[in-house]
Amino acid sequence: EVQLLESGGGLVQPGGSLRLSCAASGFTFSNSAMTWVRQAPGKGLEWVSALSGSGGSTYYADSVKGRFTISRDNSNNTLYLQMNSLRAEDTAVYYCAKGYYGSGTYDYWGLGTLVTVSS
Amino acid sequence: DIVMTQTPLSSPVTLGQPASISCRSSQSLVHSDGNTYLTWLQQRPGQPPRLLIYKISDRFSGVPDRFSGSGAGTHFTLKISRVEAEDVGVYYCMQGTQFPYTFGQGTKLEIK
Repeated sequence: EVQLLESGGGLVQPGGSLRLSCAASGFTFSNSAMTWVRQAPGKGLEWVSALSGSGGSTYYADSVKGRFTISRDNSNNTLYLQMNSLRAEDTAVYYCAKGYYGSGTYDYWGLGTLVTVSS
Repeated sequence: DIVMTQTPLSSPVTLGQPASISCRSSQSLVHSDGNTYLTWLQQRPGQPPRLLIYKISDRFSGVPDRFSGSGAGTHFTLKISRVEAEDVGVYYCMQGTQFPYTFGQGTKLEIK
């Protein structure tokens, strides 16, 4: 059974940093592209960042480029999102999701972790 | 970036009746490999998104056959043949043809 468990969310002041983790199990993690998608309170989904299975290719939304860094540890089946220079508009539930090979989409999603940026 | 526009934003439907959601993209979603990477996701209240349909019309494992997708190029449609109570939630289209991937605004399906 595929499982994705996000952690690391919390309350942080504007300008601060946070690192999210996503622990994966039930599939061959190193073969799967992964992504982070966020959802501000009461709002729609926003794609944030993606990473190839090897970690060699990374992609970012313009809204986070230069501030967020996606990475992975294939030996520990964990995906990360390092978030720096956080802003109030980064407040959201952050979901990690597993790439569905050859389909341009994501087939399994975690439950999400809430990040609140506020003073 | 490719802009995805959904209509309607809200859809009140009677149980057992059909429902339809439209999604338009600001440019063609045909990839250079010939595939069209258009996805439909369902988000029930308080839950994470769930994959329903990928590559316009392929139903994901476990998705009931009352859900179907169609379309081409820049215009796509999700249809529910007979709405059930468990279908309540928000439906999103998403393009995976070009980074950054982008979502539609979401369509809230509710029961009349």
